[in-house]
Amino acid sequence: GQSLEQPSEVTAVEGAIVQINCTYQTSGFYGLSWYQQHDGGAPTFLSYNALDGLEETGRFSSFLSRSDSYGYLLLQELQMKDSASYFCAVTGGFKTIFGAGTRLFVKA
Amino acid sequence: DAMVIQNPRYQVTQFGKPVTLSCSQTLNHNVMYWYQQKSSQAPKLLFHYYDKDFNNEADTPDNFQSRRPNTSFCFLDIRSPGLGDAAMYLCATSRAREETQYFGPGTRLLVL
Repeated sequence: GQSLEQPSEVTAVEGAIVQINCTYQTSGFYGLSWYQQHDGGAPTFLSYNALDGLEETGRFSSFLSRSDSYGYLLLQELQMKDSASYFCAVTGGFKTIFGAGTRLFVKA
Repeated sequence: DAMVIQNPRYQVTQFGKPVTLSCSQTLNHNVMYWYQQKSSQAPKLLFHYYDKDFNNEADTPDNFQSRRPNTSFCFLDIRSPGLGDAAMYLCATSRAREETQYFGPGTRLLVL
């Protein structure tokens, strides 16, 4: 089967750096995605890793280690608008499974 | 702009009254998905179409059906909504099943 684990909540201050971890178990692996979702909104795609290493997109970076079945999302220079839920999602076997989401609270 | 559009954004229905939610895309993607998301939970995949090939998840209730008349449109039919079906319904598309999914804004369904 497939399963993902990520922390339920993370709190950080404005301007700081925060890392959201995701570990997964999957039969077949194509890639690990990250989505941001604000309250009442739809998930918005942030990043995708199919190969090991770090992908950087502006203030957001995502890392993958396939041998460890582990990835993380790194958010730098946190802003209040980054307060949202962040979902990791694993695609494998023609199926994408979402984690339960990490609620990020950014404080002034 | 290429996008995924869902209508309506908010839908109120009565217990047991059939309701249809619609999704359209201008991305020309082969795959279209329907997810159900309840408060503070992950999106739960109901089913997806790869082109015209329908793929139902094993735990999706029979109450939920879908139609994809062409590449651009996909519909979610809830035959007899129950109170437990109140949720956000998200449509997503991807070029291929292993590729990134792009979500529409969602339809929030309220069942009275």
